[in-house]
Amino acid sequence: KAGVTQTPRYLIKTRGQQVTLSCSPISGHRSVSWYQQTPGQGLQFLFEYFSETQRNKGNFPGRFSGRQFSNSRSEMNVSTLELGDSALYLCASGEVLGANVLTFGAGSRLTVL
Amino acid sequence: AQSVSQHNHHVILSEAASLELGCNYSYGGTVNLFWYVQYPGQHLQLLLKYFSGDPLVKGIKGFEAEFIKSKFSFNLRKPSVQWSDTAEYFCAASPGNQGGKLIFGQGTELSVKP
Repeated sequence: KAGVTQTPRYLIKTRGQQVTLSCSPISGHRSVSWYQQTPGQGLQFLFEYFSETQRNKGNFPGRFSGRQFSNSRSEMNVSTLELGDSALYLCASGEVLGANVLTFGAGSRLTVL
Repeated sequence: AQSVSQHNHHVILSEAASLELGCNYSYGGTVNLFWYVQYPGQHLQLLLKYFSGDPLVKGIKGFEAEFIKSKFSFNLRKPSVQWSDTAEYFCAASPGNQGGKLIFGQGTELSVKP
């Protein structure tokens, strides 16, 4: 089985721009969650999608948004980028909603200049 | 608020030493518990998990963890570490019905000296 695939792996943006990150979950997995990893704040939950619906949301501003498509692929978008948005963005997929084991992708490393 | 705390930020051991990494969570209801590991240059991987049942759970590579409900703890142990165990270890918890929402501890960096 292929793992969780995230694209792009690396990207550089400037302040004020927007970015879209993509995640393809493991085949058959319907839950996709997003996390932000930074040296200062560690791993923080952004949101979770299941069957194209956002099921859970973390404490991030509205500039962070996401969506899930009918094939379970997910995208997250960050608008009006700030320097503090520089981070590794991780996507994780799970088979079901609820008690679940998440499998993580390699992440998309975003640098905001 | 729900939180997970790990006792040590950086642990340095010699090969063959025993390992115990502390983890405490704050959540009053049903909780699922996990330990993930991130080897240098690699992505997060699941070491072990606890959903219910036997509070002593065994994971990959000889790791085990014990869930002690009265202490809200889920400590990770390994009797004898190897140089290849050098990595960052994350304890995480999710409320019973919110499997996609993991709350992570700050992480413990383990350095094993050969």
